[in-house]
Amino acid sequence: ELKVEQNPLFLSMQEGKNYTIYCNYSTTSDRLYWYRQDPGKSLESLFVLLSNGAVKQEGRLMASLDTKARLSTLHITAAVHDLSATYFCAVVGTSYGKLTFGQGTILTVHP
Amino acid sequence: NAGVTQTPKFQVLKTGQSMTLQCAQDMNHNSMYWYRQDPGMGLRLIYYSASEGTTDKGEVPNGYNVSRLNKREFSLRLESAAPSQTSVYFCASSTRLGLQETQYFGPGTRLLVL
Repeated sequence: ELKVEQNPLFLSMQEGKNYTIYCNYSTTSDRLYWYRQDPGKSLESLFVLLSNGAVKQEGRLMASLDTKARLSTLHITAAVHDLSATYFCAVVGTSYGKLTFGQGTILTVHP
Repeated sequence: NAGVTQTPKFQVLKTGQSMTLQCAQDMNHNSMYWYRQDPGMGLRLIYYSASEGTTDKGEVPNGYNVSRLNKREFSLRLESAAPSQTSVYFCASSTRLGLQETQYFGPGTRLLVL
């Protein structure tokens, strides 16, 4: 059974600081996703990582994938308040299209 | 394009009542999904439909049924609601282009079962 674990689950940051969210998964996968969710809203796709060593960047967020370690990271650079949200990683297992989500990391950025 | 739409947005049910959550997408996607989101647990897959005419169970299918009415529409039915089904329900759709596949989510239905 595929398990996906994120840490930390709660992250309180000061504006301007850097931090990393970690996503570990338990079985082989060829695709990993990062989503953002604002309170009371739906999920917005951020990144799709398809291969070992893949790195994608959008603004202050950078995601990477190490398939050998079964680990993805979401790095936040110089955080700003607008990044406050819940971030989920999700992994496709052996069954087509079926995503298994991590628990989510609630990020709060303070002035 | 409206993307993925869901109705209703909110619903309150009494234990034992039934209801159907509706989902439609206008992106011509083949695959559609129903998830539930509970605090601290991320999203869990209830049912999915890889293509029109097919459905399959996900991680937490008990107490639910689904219908893939056509390519656009995928409904989720609660036959006899229970308080444990209080949750936020998300519908999603996707199509695969090579290895690239992204699920697009609807706005969610917030369900309270008393």
